[in-house]
Amino acid sequence: EAQVTQNPRYLITVTGKKLTVTCSQNMNHEYMSWYRQDPGLGLRQIYYSMNVEVTDKGDVPEGYKVSRKEKRNFPLILESPSPNQTSLYFCASSPYYLDRERNGYTFGSGTRLTVV
Amino acid sequence: KQEVTQIPAALSVPEGENLVLNCSFTDSAIYNLQWFRQDPGKGLTSLLLIQSSQREQTSGRLNASLDKSSGRSTLYIAASQPGDSATYLCAVAGFQKLVFGTGTRLLVSP
Repeated sequence: EAQVTQNPRYLITVTGKKLTVTCSQNMNHEYMSWYRQDPGLGLRQIYYSMNVEVTDKGDVPEGYKVSRKEKRNFPLILESPSPNQTSLYFCASSPYYLDRERNGYTFGSGTRLTVV
Repeated sequence: KQEVTQIPAALSVPEGENLVLNCSFTDSAIYNLQWFRQDPGKGLTSLLLIQSSQREQTSGRLNASLDKSSGRSTLYIAASQPGDSATYLCAVAGFQKLVFGTGTRLLVSP
């Protein structure tokens, strides 16, 4: 089944304890991205990656890191989490370069992160 | 900067009604527009994708239209059912990202 898989689904952590949220896709997509969703603010892009080894900041990158060492994986790293990073996080992927009009985005099931 | 607005923010209807959800965007330079469904605390399920060169797409009881020149899209849901209760998000695909509206929360009562 074609899908984007995020882990963990739920995570409660303490301020300052480094964590990684994994994202993997099995569709051979070039493009991957991370979004966070907050009440009243909607979904906002954190980082994106056009292809392996190429990443760039989105709208709200502060406090986050990413890496794209292989096409299928795009982990989100919080080096020193803070309470304002409590949110619902989504990973997405897209073929992107192959006919941008025709191809949409596939999203993972989300990771609910609470930082106390 | 692309901005996406969805009206209404919330909608409550009795089962069986036909309804329309609205989405507007400020920059017409888009590749496509997607409508998503999100159940509380859950992921995003893609419902329909309309390419920028298309006017509408249909899937079952759902019909989405796109008027790129005026920056508008509508999602029409026919014969609504309680199972349609969810938040509906529209998102426009521009260069390097999707820009989302804040959604319409729909409640369909039996």
